[in-house]
Amino acid sequence: DTEVTQTPKHLVMGMTNKKSLKCEQHMGHRAMYWYKQKAKKPPELMFVYSYEKLSINESVPSRFSPECPNSSLLNLHLHALQPEDSALYLCASSQYSGGEGKQETQYFGPGTRLLVL
Amino acid sequence: GQNIDQPTEMTATEGAIVQINCTYQTSGFNGLFWYQQHAGEAPTFLSYNVLDGLEEKGRFSSFLSRSKGYSYLLLKELQMKDSASYLCAVRNNNAGNMLTFGGGTRLMVKP
Repeated sequence: DTEVTQTPKHLVMGMTNKKSLKCEQHMGHRAMYWYKQKAKKPPELMFVYSYEKLSINESVPSRFSPECPNSSLLNLHLHALQPEDSALYLCASSQYSGGEGKQETQYFGPGTRLLVL
Repeated sequence: GQNIDQPTEMTATEGAIVQINCTYQTSGFNGLFWYQQHAGEAPTFLSYNVLDGLEEKGRFSSFLSRSKGYSYLLLKELQMKDSASYLCAVRNNNAGNMLTFGGGTRLMVKP
């Protein structure tokens, strides 16, 4: 089983709203990732959590706030977003982060398509 | 920094063979991944290469030459459902072993 789930599938929000994206995996993976993907562009790494600790923040604006409540869950809290933040937000997980070998293969969830009005 | 290049688009015929190339320049190469992504869906893992040579998995094969900074994904017996974007991603041990994705190649399979 290489399933990563994400909710919601679609989200429309205003610039003053607060919302959260959720990601879950039950593969026992200890690394989880948030990516942002604009149309016809590759995924861009936002955050990496390793053993529930934030290990990489790719200079993401503070209106995006990640949270890892436990080893299976990853949230992305959204506040005061801009229309240019509209994108597909992908969650991924791997057995470990920063390691080597095929065990570091990242498995992606289906994504949340976000529209900011 | 890293530079990963793939053709933007390719077209091929059902039943044919297509090769999607990926060239990269990186100072800390530590593996190359190919993912398939259908429009609006998540990338799905296809293959992983870290040593030179060919990895075969069913209709899909991936080749790596580290000295040339070059990889290709070979798709045989093309099916209509293979129409998708194919993403080449390089892992860099100078960047915490994180992945950097190429721009992706949009493959259209025609009857």
